[in-house]
Amino acid sequence: EAQVTQNPRYLITVTGKKLTVTCSQNMNHEYMSWYRQDPGLGLRQIYYSMNVEVTDKGDVPEGYKVSRKEKRNFPLILESPSPNQTSLYFCASRFVGGGNQPQHFGDGTRLSIL
Amino acid sequence: GQNIDQPTEMTATEGAIVQINCTYQTSGFNGLFWYQQHAGEAPTFLSYNVLDGLEEKGRFSSFLSRSKGYSYLLLKELQMKDSASYLCALNTNAGKSTFGDGTTLTVKP
Repeated sequence: EAQVTQNPRYLITVTGKKLTVTCSQNMNHEYMSWYRQDPGLGLRQIYYSMNVEVTDKGDVPEGYKVSRKEKRNFPLILESPSPNQTSLYFCASRFVGGGNQPQHFGDGTRLSIL
Repeated sequence: GQNIDQPTEMTATEGAIVQINCTYQTSGFNGLFWYQQHAGEAPTFLSYNVLDGLEEKGRFSSFLSRSKGYSYLLLKELQMKDSASYLCALNTNAGKSTFGDGTTLTVKP
């Protein structure tokens, strides 16, 4: 089954404790992206990657890191999480070629930073 | 920037037609996308427009006017399961993707 898989689905942690949210897709998509969604604010892009070893900042990259060492994986790293990073996070992927392509989203990761 | 505006909430009756508008201010984009998101779930793709005009996909249609900075999503024969949030999004060639804050649609019997 074609899918984007995020782990963990839920995490409660404390300020300053490094964490990684994994994202993996099995559709051979070149493009992957991370978003956060807060109440009333819609989806905001954190980082995106057009292909392996190519990453760029989205609109809200502060406090986050990403890496794209393999095509299928795009982990989101919070080196020193803070309470304002409490949010619902979505990973997405899509093809780059052939003009516009829709994004496929993972089921989301709900992070609570205390 | 790519500011995107959508109404926050809309209510419609089962079986009716509803139009959800999206206006934007941007210097350029590849395509305009519409996604559906049920509460607590991931967004799922509904429709997209690259060129001006109407794109029809079953009960859902989307329209784009680049000169007017305007798009709409049309939902026909509304069903209770259409109660959800509808997100308008713009993609650029460079890979950036900007979403509106979404329109929460409530379908009543």
